[in-house]
Amino acid sequence: KNQVEQSPQSLIILEGKNCTLQCNYTVSPFSNLRWYKQDTGRGPVSLTIMTFSENTKSNGRYTATLDADTKQSSLHITASQLSDSASYICVVSASNSEKLTFGTGTRLTIIP
Amino acid sequence: KAGVTQTPRYLIKTRGQQVTLSCSPISGHRSVSWYQQTPGQGLQFLFEYFSETQRNKGNFPGRFSGRQFSNSRSEMNVSTLELGDSALYLCASRSTSGGPNEQFFGPGTRLTVL
Repeated sequence: KNQVEQSPQSLIILEGKNCTLQCNYTVSPFSNLRWYKQDTGRGPVSLTIMTFSENTKSNGRYTATLDADTKQSSLHITASQLSDSASYICVVSASNSEKLTFGTGTRLTIIP
Repeated sequence: KAGVTQTPRYLIKTRGQQVTLSCSPISGHRSVSWYQQTPGQGLQFLFEYFSETQRNKGNFPGRFSGRQFSNSRSEMNVSTLELGDSALYLCASRSTSGGPNEQFFGPGTRLTVL
């Protein structure tokens, strides 16, 4: 069964600090992995999308890594800001299906 | 280019009623997907429409239905509402022109069932 697990479930850090969110998946055959940011009560917004051949991709202060061998991805946030407070969702797509498998997300809170 | 829009943004209904939610995709996107999001379950896939045809369907009861119009706008209907249907309903559109097509989400409709 295709699954995506994210850790931690929630995280609280001080403004200005760095943090790393984890995503492990069992989706096969793998096509691509996406990280979304979702502010409370709003729709998710894409941060990065990575295919099998990519192992690092950056979007400003956000850097995603992918290890297709171990089926793990991480999202690193540098110099966190209050506006980074949101849920971060990992989504994996299989190449033999157009259905997406969603993780339940990591709730990140940045405190001043 | 305008993003995905959803109406209404908020809705309060009582048990047993039915509700229709609307989604307008990004111009040129022919695929529209619907998701239910609850705090405990995360995003759950409802169905996907492409060119007015349902292409994929999630594991939801028949009370949940949808359709897509020739202009790619989509509606989702929930009949005989239950308390457990209270959720954020998200619509997402994507291009289908090859590559890892990114889904663009709308702001969602917050449905509360009393």
